[in-house]
Amino acid sequence: DTEVTQTPKHLVMGMTNKKSLKCEQHMGHRAMYWYKQKAKKPPELMFVYSYEKLSINESVPSRFSPECPNSSLLNLHLHALQPEDSALYLCASSYRDRGLMNTEAFFGQGTRLTVV
Amino acid sequence: AQSVAQPEDQVNVAEGNPLTVKCTYSVSGNPYLFWYVQYPNRGLQFLLKYITGDNLVKGSYGFEAEFNKSQTSFHLKKPSALVSDSALYFCAVRDAKGSGNTGKLIFGQGTTLQVKP
Repeated sequence: DTEVTQTPKHLVMGMTNKKSLKCEQHMGHRAMYWYKQKAKKPPELMFVYSYEKLSINESVPSRFSPECPNSSLLNLHLHALQPEDSALYLCASSYRDRGLMNTEAFFGQGTRLTVV
Repeated sequence: AQSVAQPEDQVNVAEGNPLTVKCTYSVSGNPYLFWYVQYPNRGLQFLLKYITGDNLVKGSYGFEAEFNKSQTSFHLKKPSALVSDSALYFCAVRDAKGSGNTGKLIFGQGTTLQVKP
């Protein structure tokens, strides 16, 4: 199994809503990532979890709240978002060990988020 | 700081012709370079990577990339393009810095490949 599964595929939410994005992988990867991608732009890193602990937060606004309940799951909780937060949200995972630098990341298909 | 550059926003090629998508890099230390492809409304798919060893790296779907240290380039190539290769291609490098050596990926701006029948 070399898949990263993201749900839902599409999400429309109002600016006062609370919603969550989910990501799951069963490849034994201990590094998991959230990226945000605007149309025809490169993905922008938001958060990195390493061994279920938050290791990088790229100065993301607090209306985005990540959570890693176990080694297979990664969530992104959303609250009071703005229309400019509309984007494709990508989850990724990779091996986490001394050789991490040479390992590729596997990406999910993404959640297309629209904030209205 | 680590960076990659993709100098072409779009590359057009006829089906059956060879294709090249360019990438140059700037790193301190050893470069760990990757190519990803993204089809419309999909996530990124890993194509190939250069870590060390042979300068010609073979990857998925018939793609290969040539690592050139003197020119700091890592161009993606395919001998015979298919219409189905039309997609957005990203070159990326692992950042040597980061908390706990998590090595985040730094992406180029992307190149749209258009293969015409």
